Amino acid sequence: GAGVSQSPRYKVAKRGQDVALRCDPISGHVSLFWYQQALGQGPEFLTYFQNEAQLDKSGLPSDRFFAERPEGSVSTLKIQRTQQEDSAVYLCASSLAESGNTGELFFGEGSRLTVL
Amino acid sequence: GENVEQHPSTLSVQEGDSAVIKCTYSDSASNYFPWYKQELGKGPQLIIDIRSNVGEKKDQRIAVTLNKTAKHFSLHITETQPEDSAVYFCAAKQSDGDQFYFGTGTSLTVIP
Repeated sequence: GAGVSQSPRYKVAKRGQDVALRCDPISGHVSLFWYQQALGQGPEFLTYFQNEAQLDKSGLPSDRFFAERPEGSVSTLKIQRTQQEDSAVYLCASSLAESGNTGELFFGEGSRLTVL
Repeated sequence: GENVEQHPSTLSVQEGDSAVIKCTYSDSASNYFPWYKQELGKGPQLIIDIRSNVGEKKDQRIAVTLNKTAKHFSLHITETQPEDSAVYFCAAKQSDGDQFYFGTGTSLTVIP
């Protein structure tokens, strides 16, 4: 596709369940970012990949959060033992540029996670 | 780390009027300042950006100004139209970093 694709668009999980969110970036984009966006707030950085290497995971809120991009394209954000505070929209963005450059970020439409 | 503050949180203007959204940042090392528009149910989309080596940039009805000394930058939308209604986010980034730091957003409503 032409843009960043995320799935599922909506996910409802019971507290304690594990969830996996998928991001399919624009083909050829080197950089991939995951952001968490709480209701009425700006996106908050979670983690950054350059190709398959996870260069920055400083924004992951706890060890229940795990992200991977094994072949340098599709990425998965996994949240284990979900808690209510994990409820948010999870945005994936990709960029043609490497981290040291300031290329445009292209965002997907997000995955809205609701933990009951 | 960087701290980006954005004001106002909500803004209503009459169609045809101008809208101004202001952001401040804390880290003098930040040198790239994009603005994103987010429509309901969509991801943010870049509308304009400015780098620290210029003070102003304009693209049709949209302009951004940057004051490096004061560490603030602003988005100006002229001749607003109903389709400009959305949430706007400012952001800041350093050239040697990977993180974009976003403001908390401004919900703009253009009243027809």
